[in-house]
Amino acid sequence: AQTVTQSQPEMSVQEAETVTLSCTYDTSESDYYLFWYKQPPSRQMILVIRQEAYKQQNATENRFSVNFQKAAKSFSLKISDSQLGDAAMYFCAYRGETSGSRLTFGEGTQLTVNP
Amino acid sequence: NAGVTQTPKFQVLKTGQSMTLQCAQDMNHEYMSWYRQDPGMGLRLIHYSVGAGITDQGEVPNGYNVSRSTTEDFPLRLLSAAPSQTSVYFCASSTLTGNTEAFFGQGTRLTVV
Repeated sequence: AQTVTQSQPEMSVQEAETVTLSCTYDTSESDYYLFWYKQPPSRQMILVIRQEAYKQQNATENRFSVNFQKAAKSFSLKISDSQLGDAAMYFCAYRGETSGSRLTFGEGTQLTVNP
Repeated sequence: NAGVTQTPKFQVLKTGQSMTLQCAQDMNHEYMSWYRQDPGMGLRLIHYSVGAGITDQGEVPNGYNVSRSTTEDFPLRLLSAAPSQTSVYFCASSTLTGNTEAFFGQGTRLTVV
């Protein structure tokens, strides 16, 4: 079974600074997809960024980028120029090609942005 | 475009009571699922469905029941609520293929006393 691990229960960053959230996963599949979801206090789950395992290029969405290391099974999220609105719980998620649309989530990292 | 509509947003139950959490999507997604979110444990899959008439168990199915009579609706039933079922519940839907994102409902905070 696939597992996803987020080893940082809490992180904090100063406004305008950069922060990196860690995620590792375990799988025997060669084709899969990885996601970062943001959950603000409103509880809504919001997709931040996604990465296909077959793509070597790291995904980027504005201030959000990932460092995808397939051999190391690592998928970290970098947030640049942090804003107060980035404060939220962040979840890393895995979706395997052979497991249909099932998502496996990590434990989550609570990000605090200090003004 | 409503997306995924989940009701209610909050609910308090007494131990032993039953209730149904409603979930509806208007995106014609084949795949629908229910997760529970507990502190320090992320979201865990309860049940899922790949189409009308087809359901299967996820990681934590005990105490929950589902059905999928239409593509749009996927209700979650608690037959006899227990304090261990106090949690935040999310319904999600997506297509069956590729890297398409899952769309989530707004969540239900359930407290069983």
